[in-house]
Amino acid sequence: EDQVTQSPEALRLQEGESSSLNCSYTVSGLRGLFWYRQDPGKGPEFLFTLYSAGEEKEKERLKATLTKKESFLHITAPKPEDSATYLCAVHPNTGNQFYFGTGTSLTVIP
Amino acid sequence: DGGITQSPKYLFRKEGQNVTLSCEQNLNHDAMYWYRQDPGQGLRLIYYSQIVNDFQKGDIAEGYSVSREKKESFPLTVTSAQKNPTAFYLCASSIRAHLGETQYFGPGTRLLVL
Repeated sequence: EDQVTQSPEALRLQEGESSSLNCSYTVSGLRGLFWYRQDPGKGPEFLFTLYSAGEEKEKERLKATLTKKESFLHITAPKPEDSATYLCAVHPNTGNQFYFGTGTSLTVIP
Repeated sequence: DGGITQSPKYLFRKEGQNVTLSCEQNLNHDAMYWYRQDPGQGLRLIYYSQIVNDFQKGDIAEGYSVSREKKESFPLTVTSAQKNPTAFYLCASSIRAHLGETQYFGPGTRLLVL
């Protein structure tokens, strides 16, 4: 069964304290892995797409990496405005459906 | 500005009532999706459409119906058969449904039961 697990469920960081969020997946084959940011009461905002192991993408303080079994979202020197829920989704090789994790709720304290 | 719009932002449903959520996109995307988001759960797929006049059930289609008469529009009806409709509903679109294309989301509609 295709599955996506995100950890930790919640993370509190001091401003400037770097950390990583994890997304592990078990799928029959991967077409793509996607990271989104979601603010309370709003729709998810697209961040990154990764397609193959070893791939990395960066945007401001965020960097996403991909291995054959998991992806990491690294946050370098976070600021309070980075506080949000970060969602991971995978698109397996079979079918047209995305599978989403339950997200990591990040709080950055000034 | 290209994007996805959903309306209304909030919707109240009475017992036994059908309600329709609107989703419009001007991205010229072929594929559109409806998800339901509940606290502590990942997004769950209700229906998706790869092309006009075609749609497929997702994991939780019972109690919902959709239509795709225009490329830009993919309305979702929550019927009275859906016994637990309170949730945050998200519409998304992608260039195509396969090939690992990125899905882009609208702002969402929160449905509450009176």
